[in-house]
Amino acid sequence: DTGVSQDPRHKITKRGQNVTFRCDPISEHNRLYWYRQTLGQGPEFLTYFQNEAQLEKSRLLSDRFSAERPKGSFSTLEIQRTEQGDSAMYLCASSHRTAGNTIYFGEGSWLTVV
Amino acid sequence: QKEVEQDPGPLSVPEGAIVSLNCTYSNSAFQYFMWYRQYSRKGPELLMYTYSSGNKEDGRFTAQVDKSSKYISLFIRDSQPSDSATYLCAMTGGQGAQKLVFGQGTRLTINP
Repeated sequence: DTGVSQDPRHKITKRGQNVTFRCDPISEHNRLYWYRQTLGQGPEFLTYFQNEAQLEKSRLLSDRFSAERPKGSFSTLEIQRTEQGDSAMYLCASSHRTAGNTIYFGEGSWLTVV
Repeated sequence: QKEVEQDPGPLSVPEGAIVSLNCTYSNSAFQYFMWYRQYSRKGPELLMYTYSSGNKEDGRFTAQVDKSSKYISLFIRDSQPSDSATYLCAMTGGQGAQKLVFGQGTRLTINP
């Protein structure tokens, strides 16, 4: 499978715990994106990397959220001190620098905070 | 007011019907327009990608963009039960723009 890979696919955690999601983009895609999607809504942009540089962050990305992309390959999204409002699907996407508007999504990581 | 408005449906049609899905937007800077298909509990799958105004056809799917009216459409001909999914419109600004702005998604069911 050469698509965008996300892990874990599902995570149930207790409020106040930290969680981390991993994303492996399509090979040679230098751009990587994180989005969040809640039930019945379209995805909302969280942040964007070009290679290892985080170039844009949404206001939705509070101080409890941090994303990294060391070495410009895989990326992690960590949520600290989770709240029930963090329950959502976290989507990773990638695109190639020569086709930046052709963005491919992974299957998502479902988070449920109880 | 949201930047992108999309009727959430649900929309239910018989197999073989022509389906029309629509979005309106308010930001005149949007130039690139996409349609994604999303099956339940799956990630969005890119269906169509168009630049500026005009039509684009791919098999049973046709995407239309009318920038003067800030209105985009996706038509599905000879609809199949396997087309049952949520359809999301998305758009962005200039070349290489980083952020896609999505509509709410329209839930479509094709009845055999």
